[in-house]
Amino acid sequence: SQQGEEDPQALSIQEGENATMNCSYKTSINNLQWYRQNSGRGLVHLILIRSNEREKHSGRLRVTLDTSKKSSSLLITASRAADTASYFCATDPPAGNNRKLIWGLGTSLAVNP
Amino acid sequence: NAGVTQTPKFRVLKTGQSMTLLCAQDMNHEYMYWYRQDPGMGLRLIHYSVGEGTTAKGEVPDGYNVSRLKKQNFLLGLESAAPSQTSVYFCASSAWETQYFGPGTRLLVL
Repeated sequence: SQQGEEDPQALSIQEGENATMNCSYKTSINNLQWYRQNSGRGLVHLILIRSNEREKHSGRLRVTLDTSKKSSSLLITASRAADTASYFCATDPPAGNNRKLIWGLGTSLAVNP
Repeated sequence: NAGVTQTPKFRVLKTGQSMTLLCAQDMNHEYMYWYRQDPGMGLRLIHYSVGEGTTAKGEVPDGYNVSRLKKQNFLLGLESAAPSQTSVYFCASSAWETQYFGPGTRLLVL
């Protein structure tokens, strides 16, 4: 069953603009991860934020986590056409789950040149 | 390092035929997973393995079987293919928290 829900489902922006996508989840977590999927390809891990962290950066990516609201956001700054992809959040529940991630349905991002 | 590889890349089956999808990883990961991805439904876990010789059911296991005889390989079998199994299948592996994905197998069942 899906726990994460990404919002919006689809986003279209111009190159150079910032893109923000959100993820909400339902149960407690060890960490929350964001993955990217280019069309027709496998998913690629982008960034992981732990439950005791509030913000994390990696290059042009900024992730925030609000455990009280059970939500996370992924910000891509100065977007490029190559950022066009689907972005998925995945939550890692507390121990005893055999490292099974719970996946959202994804946000489809189109960056127009 | 090839990472996670999947064979075949694409396959067309007739209803009732059987086939095996192969996943191989060269990262010495303990955990391996099989997912299917359908439009609007995200990733759904079919079966997974927490180590060589172990397998367990995921969210949508019916119609599939798996085996993990060697640590580096995870096989997904379709016993009698049905049109509802038309999908893109992804294998993933992990050592701990992050999962590494293969390029996918596109399966069409007619």
